[in-house]
Amino acid sequence: SQQGEEDPQALSIQEGENATMNCSYKTSINNLQWYRQNSGRGLVHLILIRSNEREKHSGRLRVTLDTSKKSSSLLITASRAADTASYFCATDSDKLIFGTGTRLQVFP
Amino acid sequence: NAGVMQNPRHLVRRRGQEARLRCSPMKGHSHVYWYRQLPEEGLKFMVYLQKENIIDESGMPKERFSAEFPKEGPSILRIQQVVRGDSAAYFCASSPPRLRNEQFFGPGTRLTVL
Repeated sequence: SQQGEEDPQALSIQEGENATMNCSYKTSINNLQWYRQNSGRGLVHLILIRSNEREKHSGRLRVTLDTSKKSSSLLITASRAADTASYFCATDSDKLIFGTGTRLQVFP
Repeated sequence: NAGVMQNPRHLVRRRGQEARLRCSPMKGHSHVYWYRQLPEEGLKFMVYLQKENIIDESGMPKERFSAEFPKEGPSILRIQQVVRGDSAAYFCASSPPRLRNEQFFGPGTRLTVL
């Protein structure tokens, strides 16, 4: 079965609001990564957080990692219509294992 | 510096035909990964290759699917005798040596089997 599972499956918000997506995984990891996929396109790497890190920031993105709960969250602040995409977490033990994704829709 | 390139972007095949998908990694990257994405699902790992070697093919279906990464030229994912269930987006990613987790993805090939 998939290692990562994102929650919620779909999220709709207004521009300017924050979007929070969660990812849970099952086994121990070396690191966890978040990717974005625009409709019909390839994946774009957003951020990597290592297993010994608890929080990481990159621009409007904030990622947390709780290895005791085997979960991670991705927060997008001040969302824009251009953030509309699917967001996947991927965990790495010996290979990347992707979750099923959260489909984010940001309305202008 | 060109990114990962895949061709064709779209491929239509009839049942029983062969599909060949090509992936050219980023310059300097010697590791290639193939993933399959079914509609409304995440990416599923298929195979990991280095030049002339298959390192991990644990995600490859046992039959009809094969992959290679020759010394010269792109990596090829080959699907023989395609069936409708093979319809999916196939993504290739590449990474530099010793940085296997830093994978850069190509735009994908969308295979439709009629």
